[in-house]
Amino acid sequence: QSALTQPASVSGSPGQSITISCTGTSSDVGGYNNVSWYQQHPGKAPKLMIYDVTYRPSGISNRFSGSKSGNTASLSISGLQAEDEAGYYCSSYSSSTTLVVFGGGTKLTVL
Amino acid sequence: EVQLVESGGGLVKPGGSLRLSCAASAFSFSSYTMNWVRQAPGKGLEWVSSISSSSSYIHYADSVKGRFTISRDNAKNSLFLQMNSLRAEDTAVYYCARDRDSSGFYFSFDYWGQGTLATVSS
Repeated sequence: QSALTQPASVSGSPGQSITISCTGTSSDVGGYNNVSWYQQHPGKAPKLMIYDVTYRPSGISNRFSGSKSGNTASLSISGLQAEDEAGYYCSSYSSSTTLVVFGGGTKLTVL
Repeated sequence: EVQLVESGGGLVKPGGSLRLSCAASAFSFSSYTMNWVRQAPGKGLEWVSSISSSSSYIHYADSVKGRFTISRDNAKNSLFLQMNSLRAEDTAVYYCARDRDSSGFYFSFDYWGQGTLATVSS
């Protein structure tokens, strides 16, 4: 059972927009601005897409954006492309004994 | 180009030990907090352990505390994970990952290795 809750799957058609949620508590997502999002294609290492809730690393498309409200963070992807089909994981700093907590992951299908 | 290359995975019996290594190149290894993250087959990501640039600060997930030891050798640009008293539930791909910025803990990881598989089975 993961510390952060994500939907198991989301889907969208090319060109559409989707949003993936990540729900935690005031000890992690709600209490700190250290939420990150990772993209993982099958058999590959994760790739950092968003850090500190809203920031994109260099080279990441501006089709990807992050936000947070209360204990829930969100990753939005606009203009869906076939290459966006992958697993997406959120993570957050946690003030509990576990320094970093992850969500269970969301599989994005581009129809 | 930043590279992280893990090694040391393999098949081990329950109760056994493994030592994972991560060789880093093309960045100032001694300036960055480094991390281990694992992924059980078909499952999600799980943070395992972090070590600060000078090894002054070390953190472990509750699931591995007392059994795993993280360490680093800045002179050799290498990160290690000593895994003892291994259990079936430790079976996973273990990734070495770099903190996204130097000189501190930033809790997000911008470079990852390709992973090394540790399988615990009798």
